[in-house]
Amino acid sequence: AQSVTQPDIHITVSEGASLELRCNYSYGATPYLFWYVQSPGQGLQLLLKYFSGDTLVQGIKGFEAEFKRSQSSFNLRKPSVHWSDAAEYFCAVGADSNYQLIWGAGTKLIIKP
Amino acid sequence: NAGVTQTPKFRILKIGQSMTLQCTQDMNHNYMYWYRQDPGMGLKLIYYSVGAGITDKGEVPNGYNVSRSTTEDFPLRLELAAPSQTSVYFCASKTGGAIQETQYFGPGTRLLVL
Repeated sequence: AQSVTQPDIHITVSEGASLELRCNYSYGATPYLFWYVQSPGQGLQLLLKYFSGDTLVQGIKGFEAEFKRSQSSFNLRKPSVHWSDAAEYFCAVGADSNYQLIWGAGTKLIIKP
Repeated sequence: NAGVTQTPKFRILKIGQSMTLQCTQDMNHNYMYWYRQDPGMGLKLIYYSVGAGITDKGEVPNGYNVSRSTTEDFPLRLELAAPSQTSVYFCASKTGGAIQETQYFGPGTRLLVL
């Protein structure tokens, strides 16, 4: 069955430290991969997406993600987090053969001052 | 552009009551979606629409109904509220049907059924 796993429910990082959020997927078709962010009280906003080409994808707000087919992963990274990055982050996967995205359960990022 | 707007932001319902969650987008998007978000779970698709007059079921449609009489509006109807429908509901829209297109989300409606 198709699935997306975000192994970390919560992650706490000090302001200025680096960040990596994990996303693993199980999908038979060639996947399209997405990271969305949900700031408190707001809807989800697209950070970045991958569907072909360079496996290292740059997004908004200084985020990047790397697609690793051999590991079925699409981890999100940021070299130095800011307090404003505190939010919940969702990974999602889709394919041409399906009409909807499959969503991970989300990882809540907490920033320590 | 206001983007995707949802009303109300928060609502408490008693079991058996009905209500409509409103969703409006001003981006002239053809595709619109309703999701529910439960704690510790990913978004689940309830219903979606590919254009005015056309709707279809998603993964978890039971207990809900939708209509799409205009491009802009996509209301979600709960006829007989049940505690299992306590959730946060998100409406989203996008231009077309390609899976790689970006979805734009509203701020959500938090619903509590007691």
